[in-house]
Amino acid sequence: KQEVTQIPAALSVPEGENLVLNCSFTDSAIYNLQWFRQDPGKGLTSLLLIQSSQREQTSGRLNASLDKSSGRSTLYIAASQPGDSATYLCAVEDDKLIFGTGTRLQVFP
Amino acid sequence: DTEVTQTPKHLVMGMTNKKSLKCEQHMGHRAMYWYKQKAKKPPELMFVYSYEKLSINESVPSRFSPECPNSSLLNLHLHALQPDDSALYLCASSQDLADTQYFGPGTRLTVL
Repeated sequence: KQEVTQIPAALSVPEGENLVLNCSFTDSAIYNLQWFRQDPGKGLTSLLLIQSSQREQTSGRLNASLDKSSGRSTLYIAASQPGDSATYLCAVEDDKLIFGTGTRLQVFP
Repeated sequence: DTEVTQTPKHLVMGMTNKKSLKCEQHMGHRAMYWYKQKAKKPPELMFVYSYEKLSINESVPSRFSPECPNSSLLNLHLHALQPDDSALYLCASSQDLADTQYFGPGTRLTVL
């Protein structure tokens, strides 16, 4: 059974720092891995999708990498801003989307 | 139009009520999903529709009944729910299965 874990569970940093959020999964037979952002009480916003054949994807200040063989992905956020404060979820797709436990990020001014 | 809409935003119902949640997308997506999210937990998949046919039912109790009347609409009919069913219900859609999923804002359901 696929299990997805995210470390750390919570993170609080000053504005301007570069951050790395980690995601690990137990079964490497995945179609893709997605990173989402969720603001409190709201829906999810898709940030990046990495196909299983890809190694990384970039969008603005965000860069996500995927190492399928070791079951790991990282989300790198450059020059963090208070508006980045949210919960970040990774999810792997095998025959369905399975979410990780999330990292709650707070960026303070 | 690149969004998924859900109505209502909030719903309070008693255990004997019948209500429905509605989800709509006009992106031409052929896969639609229902998820349930409890507080401080990740979303859990309930149902998947592909080309208007139910393709995955994650052993959801029959008091939850999905319906896909057309390719743009997805409903979730609720009947005889329990207080533990209180949660945020999220709808999502994707171009096809295993494509990027776009989520709606959710319906916050409270069962008294």
